[in-house]
Amino acid sequence: AQKVTQAQTEISVVEKEDVTLDCVYETRDTTYYLFWYKQPPSGELVFLIRRNSFDEQNEISGRYSWNFQKSTSSFNFTITASQVVDSAVYFCALRPYGQNFVFGPGTRLSVLP
Amino acid sequence: NAGVTQTPKFQVLKTGQSMTLQCAQDMNHEYMSWYRQDPGMGLRLIHYSVGAGITDQGEVPNGYNVSRSTTEDFPLRLLSAAPSQTSVYFCASSYDVLRTNTGELFFGEGSRLTVL
Repeated sequence: AQKVTQAQTEISVVEKEDVTLDCVYETRDTTYYLFWYKQPPSGELVFLIRRNSFDEQNEISGRYSWNFQKSTSSFNFTITASQVVDSAVYFCALRPYGQNFVFGPGTRLSVLP
Repeated sequence: NAGVTQTPKFQVLKTGQSMTLQCAQDMNHEYMSWYRQDPGMGLRLIHYSVGAGITDQGEVPNGYNVSRSTTEDFPLRLLSAAPSQTSVYFCASSYDVLRTNTGELFFGEGSRLTVL
């Protein structure tokens, strides 16, 4: 069975703090893709990153970074020096090859000024 | 470039009424899907389509119908609305080479439906 767990329901930090959002996935497929999406208070879903199961290189994009570890089935997302505009619900998702998406329940991040 | 367009953005229905949520994409994506978002449950797949003329059920299909007569359009029909269908609905599409289902999803802005 495919499953995505985001154990942190809500996180609250003060601006400029670093914060890591955890994502653990389950799949028996050897080829799969992992994603993160952001849903700001306005409600739209914004694509952030896509990684395939054969590429375990960490990725950095500005203040965002992603740590993919197949050994622990985790795909964690870190925001460095958080800002109020980072306040949103963040979804981790799994897409096994040839199959549909499986989304985690989401983590609500609140960045306080 | 409009991307994925959903209408209406808001709708209030009475129990038993029917309605159609419209979804159109202009990216020539083969894969299209409908999700519902409920608090604490993430996004759950209702129906999906891998190309014109092909549809299939997702995780929570009961009470919903879809059709895919063109590549661009993928309407979602509520046959007889129930309060349990109160939710936010998202249409999404992706570009998948040879139907490999590996692309990222592009989402519409969402439709908030309330069933009284």
